[in-house]
Amino acid sequence: EMVLTQSPATLSLSPGERATLSCRASQSVSSYLAWYQQKPGQSPRLLIYDASNRATGIPARFSGSGSGTDFTLTISSLEPEDFAVYYCHQGSNWPLTFGGGTKVEIK
Amino acid sequence: EVQLLESGGGLVQPGGSLRLSCAASGFTFSSYGMSWVRQAPGKGLEWVSAISGSGGDTFYADSVKGRFSISRDNPKNTLYLQMNSLRAEDTAVYYCAKRSPDLGYGMDVWGQGITVTVSS
Repeated sequence: EMVLTQSPATLSLSPGERATLSCRASQSVSSYLAWYQQKPGQSPRLLIYDASNRATGIPARFSGSGSGTDFTLTISSLEPEDFAVYYCHQGSNWPLTFGGGTKVEIK
Repeated sequence: EVQLLESGGGLVQPGGSLRLSCAASGFTFSSYGMSWVRQAPGKGLEWVSAISGSGGDTFYADSVKGRFSISRDNPKNTLYLQMNSLRAEDTAVYYCAKRSPDLGYGMDVWGQGITVTVSS
């Protein structure tokens, strides 16, 4: 099973700051790496697919990068609505897996 | 409007069974693979199972293999998850999600989630 390790577990930042979230895979993911945002009481929302492509309607402040085993989600300038939990997910190897999540909280 | 709506959750005793349904609308259901993802209280997301658009291929997490069965009825635009031999650790919110091959198999549409509680 492919393990996805996200770091840090919690990121404490202020609005306007830059957030950098990491996702490391135990083996190569190719490019089928996605990022999701989840707010309390809500379903997850697809942000990034294929490691670096923004999903429909996702603001340009969200960007994804990486390949192979190391991936990054960057939020260039945090808006109040961006404080949430973020998960990476690989769709290339069965069983599919999610990372443990990074909570971005208000400092 | 593209939509997924889960139903069938509830309280069940350990060892019991439950069948979840997910009604799809707003897209050509048979053209897309579908997944079930769950989230235990206060925990992260866990992928549970997936099925191809035709229903011919199914996949399971090790934690549910042999106990859960995924299926779909394409004429009815409905996805199912049959859950048998339920355990306390199966307690979670269960989401159905649409997998999009044109989005790197990202799950771009999610249901609102349905709660399953396994307890005596």
